[in-house]
Amino acid sequence: NAGVTQTPKFQVLKTGQSMTLQCAQDMNHNSMYWYRQDPGMGLRLIYYSASEGTTDKGEVPNGYNVSRLNKREFSLRLESAAPSQTSVYFCASSEEGELFFGEGSRLTVL
Amino acid sequence: AQKITQTQPGMFVQEKEAVTLDCTYDTSDQSYGLFWYKQPSSGEMIFLIYQGSYDEQNATEGRYSLNFQKARKSANLVISASQLGDSAMYFCAMRESRSGTYKYIFGTGTRLKVLA
Repeated sequence: NAGVTQTPKFQVLKTGQSMTLQCAQDMNHNSMYWYRQDPGMGLRLIYYSASEGTTDKGEVPNGYNVSRLNKREFSLRLESAAPSQTSVYFCASSEEGELFFGEGSRLTVL
Repeated sequence: AQKITQTQPGMFVQEKEAVTLDCTYDTSDQSYGLFWYKQPSSGEMIFLIYQGSYDEQNATEGRYSLNFQKARKSANLVISASQLGDSAMYFCAMRESRSGTYKYIFGTGTRLKVLA
């Protein structure tokens, strides 16, 4: 019963470095999502994907890229990390009902 | 644009009492869904309750109920008989249909503290 799995759980980057957050779900859901959570801001949608090969921008897509290579996996890439991208990132999936979340990835950009 | 508003950054409630967490939403869609999630200090997101826009009855799940007032565009969460374990951050969310998929937008959350 893995559900939604995110890696890594913690990461520290220097400004300008790149990294990819990985997300995989085993519930056969079509839709997947990436959110960031900042104090006082709630969860803000970065990108989402309706199905393999399709992605759409959310509320705060600048500075991020995503890839939906197959039905299970949806990755989030920071090409040139900035301190403003310090946040907790959540991946989620759904099939019309409630969102199922991963445990979150805490990213710090120095 | 769709929007979720939670106007209470923090709330206190005495153990065993009921508490209402406010949520208002803005959408031009006829079909949408409303959700509440709990985030304890450990950080995971826990689904609590769902209300569909066409549901005529208010949703209930154990001690949780959703006070849905469609004309007012509000979807308040009521927690009855509060317990110490209810201390957490609570998020209201709305699901809309967009380009063949569903998009979920969250409010800024309410931090609830249950007092012994």
